[in-house]
Formats: sequence, C-alpha cells, structure tokens
Amino acid sequence: DTGVSQNPRHKITKRGQNVTFRCDPISEHNRLYWYRQTLGQGPEFLTYFQNEAQLEKSRLLSDRFSAERPKGSFSTLEIQRTEQGDSAMYLCASSTTLLTDEQFFGPGTRLTVL
Amino acid sequence: QQQVKQSPQSLIVQKGGISIINCAYENTAFDYFPWYQQFPGKGPALLIAIRPDVSEKKEGRFTISFNKSAKQFSLHIMDSQPGDSATYFCAASKSGNKLVFGAGTILRVKS
Repeated sequence: DTGVSQNPRHKITKRGQNVTFRCDPISEHNRLYWYRQTLGQGPEFLTYFQNEAQLEKSRLLSDRFSAERPKGSFSTLEIQRTEQGDSAMYLCASSTTLLTDEQFFGPGTRLTVL
Repeated sequence: QQQVKQSPQSLIVQKGGISIINCAYENTAFDYFPWYQQFPGKGPALLIAIRPDVSEKKEGRFTISFNKSAKQFSLHIMDSQPGDSATYFCAASKSGNKLVFGAGTILRVKS
C-alpha cells in the first residue's frame, strides 16, 4: 500500500525559470489537494481537484501557477517565471469521497528559487 | 486572514509529562478538526481528528478536547516521549473541503 508520492523531492532553480511538480495520490483517491508551506508556517491551501475537475483555487494561486489533473489520477503543478518568493515546500494531499475529511499528505517538494 | 489560531508557538516538556496545545477557530461552519504531526523534511501526518458532535476523542496517548461554544479545541499528549518531538498543527475544514491550518507548535520532549 503506497501513500501519496511527490516528485521531485527537491528543486533548485533560477529566478525566471519554469518548474513543474508531480503528485501521485493514493490509489482510488478521487480528491487531490495542493498546499504551500513556508518555513515556520502551517500549510496554505492552493487548489483542489475532484477527479479531473479543478473545483477551487485560492487567491494565493497567481496567474503564474497552473495545476492539472488530466485523467483524474496524478496531478502536476507548474510555476512559470519563478520568483524568490515562490521558495517553499509544495505539498500534495489526497482523500476519497467516502472519507472526504481525511487528507493524507505526501512528503512534499522543496523549491528553492535563487 | 487567520481563521485558526494556535498556541503556544513552542513547548518544552519533560519525558513522561503532558503536552497541551490549544487552537481557536472563527468560522462556525467548520465541522472537522484534525491534528497533524510533522517531522523536519516530511509531510504532515494525520494524528487524530474530531467532529463537533463529541467533546472528547482519545486514541492511545493522544486526546482531543473540543469546546463548541468557545470555538476551541486542544491536543493532549500523555506520557510525552522524546520521539514525540515534532511540529504539531491543528486544522479545520468545512464538509471535507480545504484544510485551514494553524501556525504550528514546535514540541520538544526532554529526556
């Protein structure tokens, strides 16, 4: 039984570059969430999907951010023209509509923008 | 806009002691209140959760106390162990949607 996986685990990039992260949820979990966590803070919601439909986006998700879940399985989060303020841990979580309240988190992708 | 306030920011407890972390929320529509444990470099792990229809839930050494009228809930860790040293987050959500997290409490258990 595998949990939520995220790749890469670490990403170092230069300001202005584009980056893409991948999240593979727990098998058969139809809800997938993206959160961002900065040092010393709790995770902040970015967006979530039910199957392939993106149901909510936070105001934190600027136009430079885009997320997809094309087949209702894995999801990608892309950040275009990265800025130093994008440096954070990007966390993915998944849940089922049978137990929608329990969200299980992956290990996160640590992004550093130089 | 901080909808869940958590205290204290940090806590030092002797081995075998009781660790207590408190949270207060504003949105009365919240109906699910989990606690997560996070170790450095790892994602948050669900510890225990409660709904507003009960005032207390216990799982092993972990207990949540919930006060609906005061809009407060707390985590008690009994017989605290050095392995419990981590950051703890309270959170809240409405109808299984996005979680709103507190700012976290860094717990250190001294052996």
